[in-house]
Amino acid sequence: DTAVSQTPKYLVTQMGNDKSIKCEQNLGHDTMYWYKQDSKKFLKIMFSYNNKELIINETVPNRFSPKSPDKAHLNLHINSLELGDSAVYFCASSQEALYNSPLHFGNGTRLTVT
Amino acid sequence: AQSVTQLDSQVPVFEEAPVELRCNYSSSVSVYLFWYVQYPNQGLQLLLKYLSGSTLVKGINGFEAEFNKSQTSFHLRKPSVHISDTAEYFCAVSEGYSSASKIIFGSGTRLSIRP
Repeated sequence: DTAVSQTPKYLVTQMGNDKSIKCEQNLGHDTMYWYKQDSKKFLKIMFSYNNKELIINETVPNRFSPKSPDKAHLNLHINSLELGDSAVYFCASSQEALYNSPLHFGNGTRLTVT
Repeated sequence: AQSVTQLDSQVPVFEEAPVELRCNYSSSVSVYLFWYVQYPNQGLQLLLKYLSGSTLVKGINGFEAEFNKSQTSFHLRKPSVHISDTAEYFCAVSEGYSSASKIIFGSGTRLSIRP
C-alpha cells in the first residue's frame, strides 16, 4: 500500500552515464515534485508538476529532465552524470499545488556517481 | 523571499526528558509552517502544520509547536521523548498563494535520544 514509491532505491553509476529514476503515487494527488537532499541533509526543490504540467522549475542543470506521462507518475532523467549529482533524490506528491497542501514523500533514491 | 533557519544541527537528550527544536523564519508576507520528520533511510513525514487559527498546533507522536509571529518562530516541543523519536526534524515554510507555491525546508535538526 505504498503511497509514493520510487525506483530504484540505490543507484551507483559512473560519471558521464545517463540514468533515470521513476516515481509513482497512488494517492490520487494532482501535484508531484522532485527534491534533492545533499550530504548535509539540505533539501531543495527541483521540479513540480501539476496535472502533467510543469509549474516549478528551479535552477537545475538542463541535464536533468523530468517527465510526467500522467498525473500519477513523475520520472527524472539525468544525462551525463557528474560527481556533484551524488545525493538522495526524493519524489513527493500533494493533493493540490497550494501553500497549505502537505507533501507526501517517497523513501528516496540514493544516487552515487563514481 | 522566505527562508527557514534551524539553529541546532544536533540535539542530544535523555529518554523521557523534554525537548525543544528551534525554528525561525523570515518572510515579508503571511506564512504557513510545517514540521516534518525523517527516520533513517526513509522519506519525510508530516508531523504538524500551522495554517491559521490557534497558534498552538498539536501533531502526531505527542509533538506540538507554537507559532509566534512577533518572534518569527515555530519551535517544536515534546514533553517526554522516546528512543523511537530519534530522527531528523525539518521545519518548512510556504508563503505562496498561487498554484506554483513552494515549500522551503530548513537544514534539519538531528534529535538523538540517549537511554
